[in-house]
Amino acid sequence: DGGITQSPKYLFRKEGQNVTLSCEQNLNHDAMYWYRQDPGQGLRLIYYSQIVNDFQKGDIAEGYSVSREKKESFPLTVTSAQKNPTAFYLCASSSQQGDTEAFFGQGTRLTVV
Amino acid sequence: QQQVKQSPQSLIVQKGGISIINCAYENTAFDYFPWYQQFPGKGPALLIAIRPDVSEKKEGRFTISFNKSAKQFSLHIMDSQPGDSATYFCAARTGNQFYFGTGTSLTVIP
Repeated sequence: DGGITQSPKYLFRKEGQNVTLSCEQNLNHDAMYWYRQDPGQGLRLIYYSQIVNDFQKGDIAEGYSVSREKKESFPLTVTSAQKNPTAFYLCASSSQQGDTEAFFGQGTRLTVV
Repeated sequence: QQQVKQSPQSLIVQKGGISIINCAYENTAFDYFPWYQQFPGKGPALLIAIRPDVSEKKEGRFTISFNKSAKQFSLHIMDSQPGDSATYFCAARTGNQFYFGTGTSLTVIP
Protein backbone atom coordinates (compact mmCIF):
# COMPACT_ATOMS: atom_id res chain seq x y z
CA ASP A 1 0.00 0.00 0.00
CA GLY A 2 1.21 3.50 -0.79
CA GLY A 3 1.36 5.88 2.09
CA ILE A 4 3.27 7.52 4.89
CA THR A 5 4.49 5.57 7.88
CA GLN A 6 5.40 7.24 11.12
CA SER A 7 7.04 5.44 14.00
CA PRO A 8 6.78 4.96 16.82
CA LYS A 9 3.14 5.74 17.55
CA TYR A 10 3.92 6.63 21.16
CA LEU A 11 7.25 7.88 22.47
CA PHE A 12 8.35 8.82 25.95
CA ARG A 13 11.37 10.98 26.57
CA LYS A 14 13.18 11.98 29.69
CA GLU A 15 14.06 15.62 30.07
CA GLY A 16 17.43 16.40 28.52
CA GLN A 17 17.30 13.59 25.98
CA ASN A 18 17.18 13.87 22.21
CA VAL A 19 14.69 11.66 20.40
CA THR A 20 14.17 10.95 16.71
CA LEU A 21 10.81 10.43 15.06
CA SER A 22 10.74 8.40 11.89
CA CYS A 23 8.79 9.25 8.73
CA GLU A 24 8.91 7.13 5.57
CA GLN A 25 6.84 7.51 2.40
CA ASN A 26 6.51 5.35 -0.69
CA LEU A 27 4.40 7.80 -2.69
CA ASN A 28 7.39 9.10 -4.66
CA HIS A 29 6.64 12.59 -3.37
CA ASP A 30 9.35 15.22 -3.51
CA ALA A 31 8.05 17.43 -0.69
CA MET A 32 7.87 16.33 2.94
CA TYR A 33 6.76 18.20 6.04
CA TRP A 34 6.73 17.98 9.82
CA TYR A 35 3.91 19.56 11.80
CA ARG A 36 3.28 19.86 15.48
CA GLN A 37 -0.29 19.67 16.76
CA ASP A 38 -1.35 21.01 20.14
CA PRO A 39 -4.93 21.21 21.36
CA GLY A 40 -6.70 24.27 20.00
CA GLN A 41 -3.71 25.39 17.92
CA GLY A 42 -4.14 23.50 14.71
CA LEU A 43 -1.10 22.40 12.74
CA ARG A 44 2.12 24.34 13.02
CA LEU A 45 4.94 23.78 10.54
CA ILE A 46 8.29 22.74 12.02
CA TYR A 47 10.38 21.95 8.93
CA TYR A 48 9.78 21.13 5.30
CA SER A 49 11.85 19.73 2.48
CA GLN A 50 11.22 20.07 -1.23
CA ILE A 51 14.07 17.90 -2.46
CA VAL A 52 16.71 15.55 -1.13
CA ASN A 53 19.50 17.21 0.86
CA ASP A 54 17.54 20.44 1.20
CA PHE A 55 15.15 21.63 3.91
CA GLN A 56 13.80 24.86 5.32
CA LYS A 57 12.67 26.00 8.73
CA GLY A 58 9.00 26.44 9.37
CA ASP A 59 7.30 28.61 11.95
CA ILE A 60 8.47 26.72 15.04
CA ALA A 61 11.85 25.15 14.12
CA GLU A 62 13.68 26.04 17.33
CA GLY A 63 14.66 22.92 19.26
CA TYR A 64 14.16 20.62 16.28
CA SER A 65 16.40 19.28 13.53
CA VAL A 66 15.80 17.24 10.38
CA SER A 67 17.67 15.51 7.59
CA ARG A 68 16.69 14.47 4.07
CA GLU A 69 19.29 12.03 2.83
CA LYS A 70 16.78 9.95 0.90
CA LYS A 71 13.63 10.91 -0.97
CA GLU A 72 11.60 8.44 1.06
CA SER A 73 12.74 9.49 4.52
CA PHE A 74 12.48 12.67 6.58
CA PRO A 75 13.33 12.01 10.24
CA LEU A 76 12.73 14.65 12.90
CA THR A 77 14.93 14.98 15.97
CA VAL A 78 13.47 16.68 19.01
CA THR A 79 16.45 18.03 20.90
CA SER A 80 16.83 18.88 24.55
CA ALA A 81 16.65 22.54 23.51
CA GLN A 82 12.93 22.17 22.80
CA LYS A 83 11.41 23.42 26.03
CA ASN A 84 7.92 22.01 25.62
CA PRO A 85 8.16 18.94 23.40
CA THR A 86 5.07 17.09 24.56
CA ALA A 87 2.78 17.11 21.53
CA PHE A 88 1.36 15.15 18.63
CA TYR A 89 3.74 15.19 15.65
CA LEU A 90 2.52 14.71 12.10
CA CYS A 91 4.57 14.01 9.01
CA ALA A 92 3.16 14.73 5.56
CA SER A 93 4.22 14.60 1.95
CA SER A 94 2.99 16.02 -1.32
CA SER A 95 3.70 15.90 -5.00
CA GLN A 96 4.91 19.02 -6.74
CA GLN A 97 2.82 18.30 -9.81
CA GLY A 98 -0.75 19.42 -10.39
CA ASP A 99 -3.60 19.64 -7.93
CA THR A 100 -2.43 17.72 -4.95
CA GLU A 101 -2.92 17.87 -1.27
CA ALA A 102 -0.67 16.90 1.60
CA PHE A 103 -0.93 13.26 2.69
CA PHE A 104 -0.44 12.65 6.38
CA GLY A 105 0.94 9.84 8.46
CA GLN A 106 -0.84 8.59 11.57
CA GLY A 107 1.25 10.68 13.92
CA THR A 108 3.60 10.16 16.85
CA ARG A 109 2.58 11.25 20.31
CA LEU A 110 5.63 12.36 22.26
CA THR A 111 5.46 12.71 26.02
CA VAL A 112 8.21 14.04 28.24
CA VAL A 113 8.40 12.21 31.55
CA GLN B 1 -0.05 35.57 11.80
CA GLN B 2 -2.69 33.05 10.87
CA GLN B 3 -2.84 32.84 7.08
CA VAL B 4 -6.10 30.91 7.09
CA LYS B 5 -8.75 31.83 9.63
CA GLN B 6 -11.29 29.17 10.53
CA SER B 7 -14.53 29.36 12.48
CA PRO B 8 -16.21 28.21 14.60
CA GLN B 9 -13.76 26.53 16.95
CA SER B 10 -16.41 24.02 17.96
CA LEU B 11 -19.80 23.05 16.62
CA ILE B 12 -22.62 20.89 17.93
CA VAL B 13 -25.25 19.71 15.46
CA GLN B 14 -28.22 17.39 15.73
CA LYS B 15 -28.22 14.24 13.65
CA GLY B 16 -29.65 15.01 10.23
CA GLY B 17 -28.76 18.69 10.45
CA ILE B 18 -26.35 20.75 8.37
CA SER B 19 -22.86 21.49 9.67
CA ILE B 20 -21.18 24.60 8.29
CA ILE B 21 -17.54 25.52 8.81
CA ASN B 22 -16.08 28.72 7.42
CA CYS B 23 -12.59 29.77 6.40
CA ALA B 24 -11.10 33.02 5.14
CA TYR B 25 -7.76 33.98 3.67
CA GLU B 26 -5.90 37.03 2.35
CA ASN B 27 -3.11 35.64 0.19
CA THR B 28 -4.24 35.64 -3.43
CA ALA B 29 -1.36 33.33 -4.32
CA PHE B 30 -3.26 30.40 -2.79
CA ASP B 31 -4.29 28.07 -5.61
CA TYR B 32 -5.73 24.98 -3.96
CA PHE B 33 -7.98 24.56 -0.95
CA PRO B 34 -8.29 21.10 0.67
CA TRP B 35 -10.36 20.16 3.68
CA TYR B 36 -9.19 17.51 6.12
CA GLN B 37 -11.01 15.34 8.64
CA GLN B 38 -9.19 14.12 11.71
CA PHE B 39 -10.29 11.58 14.30
CA PRO B 40 -8.66 11.50 17.75
CA GLY B 41 -5.19 10.00 17.71
CA LYS B 42 -5.10 9.77 13.92
CA GLY B 43 -3.56 11.84 11.16
CA PRO B 44 -5.73 14.18 9.09
CA ALA B 45 -7.24 12.65 5.97
CA LEU B 46 -8.32 14.51 2.87
CA LEU B 47 -12.07 15.01 2.68
CA ILE B 48 -12.62 17.21 -0.34
CA ALA B 49 -10.69 19.94 -2.18
CA ILE B 50 -11.39 22.80 -4.58
CA ARG B 51 -9.58 25.15 -6.91
CA PRO B 52 -10.38 28.90 -6.84
CA ASP B 53 -11.82 28.89 -10.36
CA VAL B 54 -14.72 26.72 -9.15
CA SER B 55 -17.52 28.12 -6.99
CA GLU B 56 -18.82 24.85 -5.62
CA LYS B 57 -17.80 21.22 -5.39
CA LYS B 58 -19.93 18.42 -4.03
CA GLU B 59 -18.94 14.91 -3.03
CA GLY B 60 -21.71 12.94 -1.40
CA ARG B 61 -22.87 14.78 1.71
CA PHE B 62 -19.89 17.16 1.65
CA THR B 63 -19.91 20.42 -0.30
CA ILE B 64 -17.32 23.18 -0.57
CA SER B 65 -18.58 26.66 -1.44
CA PHE B 66 -15.92 29.06 -2.66
CA ASN B 67 -16.21 32.85 -2.95
CA LYS B 68 -13.07 34.10 -4.64
CA SER B 69 -13.93 37.81 -4.43
CA ALA B 70 -14.58 37.58 -0.70
CA LYS B 71 -11.61 35.24 -0.16
CA GLN B 72 -13.83 32.87 1.77
CA PHE B 73 -14.69 29.22 1.51
CA SER B 74 -16.83 26.91 3.56
CA LEU B 75 -17.56 23.25 4.14
CA HIS B 76 -21.16 22.09 4.37
CA ILE B 77 -21.96 18.65 5.72
CA MET B 78 -25.51 17.69 4.85
CA ASP B 79 -27.50 15.15 6.87
CA SER B 80 -24.81 15.16 9.56
CA GLN B 81 -24.24 11.80 11.28
CA PRO B 82 -22.65 10.86 14.62
CA GLY B 83 -19.81 9.27 12.64
CA ASP B 84 -18.98 12.73 11.27
CA SER B 85 -17.92 13.79 14.77
CA ALA B 86 -14.28 14.78 14.27
CA THR B 87 -12.03 17.79 13.89
CA TYR B 88 -12.08 19.49 10.51
CA PHE B 89 -9.27 21.62 9.10
CA CYS B 90 -9.38 23.88 6.09
CA ALA B 91 -6.12 24.51 4.28
CA ALA B 92 -4.70 26.60 1.48
CA ARG B 93 -1.73 25.89 -0.73
CA THR B 94 0.76 28.09 -2.54
CA GLY B 95 3.68 26.37 -4.23
CA ASN B 96 4.60 23.53 -1.90
CA GLN B 97 3.50 25.31 1.23
CA PHE B 98 0.28 24.40 3.01
CA TYR B 99 -1.36 26.69 5.55
CA PHE B 100 -3.95 25.26 7.89
CA GLY B 101 -6.82 26.72 9.83
CA THR B 102 -6.95 26.11 13.58
CA GLY B 103 -9.58 23.41 13.27
CA THR B 104 -13.25 22.94 14.13
CA SER B 105 -14.35 20.25 16.54
CA LEU B 106 -17.68 18.90 15.29
CA THR B 107 -19.98 16.89 17.52
CA VAL B 108 -23.10 15.38 16.00
CA ILE B 109 -25.69 14.48 18.63
CA PRO B 110 -27.83 11.40 17.91
